[in-house]
Parts: sequence; C-alpha cells; structure tokens
Amino acid sequence: ILNVEQSPQSLHVQEGDSTNFTCSFPSSNFYALHWYRWETAKSPEALFVMTLNGDEKKKGRISATLNTKEGYSYLYIKGSQPEDSATYLCALTTGTASKLTFGTGTRLQVTL
Amino acid sequence: DTGVSQNPRHKITKRGQNVTFRCDPISEHNRLYWYRQTLGQGPEFLTYFQNEAQLEKSRLLSDRFSAERPKGSFSTLEIQRTEQGDSAMYLCASSLRDRGAGYTFGSGTRLTVV
Repeated sequence: ILNVEQSPQSLHVQEGDSTNFTCSFPSSNFYALHWYRWETAKSPEALFVMTLNGDEKKKGRISATLNTKEGYSYLYIKGSQPEDSATYLCALTTGTASKLTFGTGTRLQVTL
Repeated sequence: DTGVSQNPRHKITKRGQNVTFRCDPISEHNRLYWYRQTLGQGPEFLTYFQNEAQLEKSRLLSDRFSAERPKGSFSTLEIQRTEQGDSAMYLCASSLRDRGAGYTFGSGTRLTVV
C-alpha cells in the first residue's frame, strides 16, 4: 500500500500571504506526481502533472517542484487570494499501477 | 464535450436499499475510474476500466459493489443493500491511456445512507 502524505492538514492565511504545502511519497517505482485543486461543490481540477526529478511547473501564481530521489513535492501559492480557498490534493502513479493514490489533502482558507 | 458528467449529484437512501450511479466520461478517454472520498480523507481508488474491460478492483470493495462499462462508454456503479458506512462522495474520472496523463473528474455523487 502506497503512503502519500500531505502537510499541513489545513492552513488559514490572509489575502496577499504566500504559502506552500508539502507532499511526500515513496521514491521507489515512481512514475508521475499530480496536483489537484478541489473547491467545494465542484470537481477536482488538475493543476500539474510532473514526471522528472527537478521538474518545476507554474500556472499563474501557483507553482510546484518535484524531487523524486527524496520523494517530495512542494506546491507554492504566491499572493494568496480568497478564490484560492480549496483543498489541494497530491496523487501518485507508479510504474506498475495506472491508478492515482491520493494524499489526504491540504485545506487552504484565504481570508480578507 | 463539456467534461465528465455524474448523476445524480446527491442521493439519500435508506439502509438496505440498492443505489446506482452513472458516469459519462470524456468521449476520447478510454480509461474510466471510480473513487470514493469520505470526510477528512483523500479520494480512495475503487475500480477502473480500459474501454469496456474492468482491469482492477480495490480490495476496499465488498461484493455489494459492482461496476460496469458496457461498450466502453458510460459507466454505472451499483451498491446493493446499502449500509451507513457507504455514505461518501463517489467520484468518477476519465483519462487517456498514458499513465502520466491527467485525470478529468466529475463533480461526484454524494450518497447519504440513513
């Protein structure tokens, strides 16, 4: 059973703050690391898929990095806005399994 | 094609009743996945299809759960003799065959068993 861990479990920041979350995973048999944003009453939205050690991806104010050797990924949000409030999920696919194995998520709340 | 569609959005049922959920994936996607999410947890894998073939089924699923994907298009997930522990959000997702491809999720069906 794969163990994908995310921290912190929840985070409360003020508008304009920058923040980051961590996803850690077993480095053996790694294939891809996915980040999703899940807003209440909506469907999870794909943010990034990363496959190579050292990958960095950016989408607007959100960016992510990947370290497959040590088994972690960081998600950064610069200048948080209330619309960034959501649960951020990371998920892993391995060399032998097509399914995603999710972490428990980081719940972000951004207030004015 | 506007994405992955799930019906119904909400379902309240009495314990012991059978329920069926439907998922319509993105038409070009040959893989379809079912996940279940309970409060405080990330989505947990239930089963997946490649075209019409069910390739993997989680040990989490009891024999009360069955999924089908006739003709490799839409899929149904049926739960027989529902129990209160079945209350959860049931998510469907579809993807291309590439293991690195992103999934597109539906909005889910929230099941409440009373």
